[in-house]
Amino acid sequence: SQTIHQWPATLVQPVGSPLSLECTVEGTSNPNLYWYRQAAGRGLQLLFYSVGIGQISSEVPQNLSASRPQDRQFILSSKKLLLSDSGFYLCAGEQGPNEKLFFGSGTQLSVL
Amino acid sequence: AQKVTQAQTEISVVEKEDVTLDCVYETRDTTYYLFWYKQPPSGELVFLIRRNSFDEQNEISGRYSWNFQKSTSSFNFTITASQVVDSAVYFCALSELMETSGSRLTFGEGTQLTVNP
Repeated sequence: SQTIHQWPATLVQPVGSPLSLECTVEGTSNPNLYWYRQAAGRGLQLLFYSVGIGQISSEVPQNLSASRPQDRQFILSSKKLLLSDSGFYLCAGEQGPNEKLFFGSGTQLSVL
Repeated sequence: AQKVTQAQTEISVVEKEDVTLDCVYETRDTTYYLFWYKQPPSGELVFLIRRNSFDEQNEISGRYSWNFQKSTSSFNFTITASQVVDSAVYFCALSELMETSGSRLTFGEGTQLTVNP
């Protein structure tokens, strides 16, 4: 079965510091991968998606970037964090379009 | 633009009660997919069901059932004989294909269900 490993579970960072969140996928190859952010335990906002190595599409202009250096690795980064970057970040994958998404366990990021 | 509305922000019931979570969607696509996900306190979203726009047959899975009404653009979720373990945030979502062959899920704001013993 498909599994997303995401770490760390929680992260506290000062404003202006860099960020790197990583997720890796097991149990499938060439998945579509997604980064979502969830604020205050409510709706999810799509940040980035990738349909293959090196292919990144951004949904919302912001302070973050994403990279996919390997088929099963998806990284979310920032050079300088803002207070507004705080939230719950979820990595997700799907085997094909409109298939069910399988999610990682999420990272709670607090920028102070 | 696609939109999903979950009008019920919070619902509280007593164990063994039946509860229905409402979901209304908007889309211009003729082909689309609808989903329900459960988010327990641990945070990870758990897939519950996927339904395509051409299949209006209702589905039952144990204590869970789903009512898809294309005429009213609704995809409601009912839990029968609720249990404390059903306490979670439930999300309804609508999928559209993107140009690069990925799919974009538009999520509702979620409904916090609390089942009290």
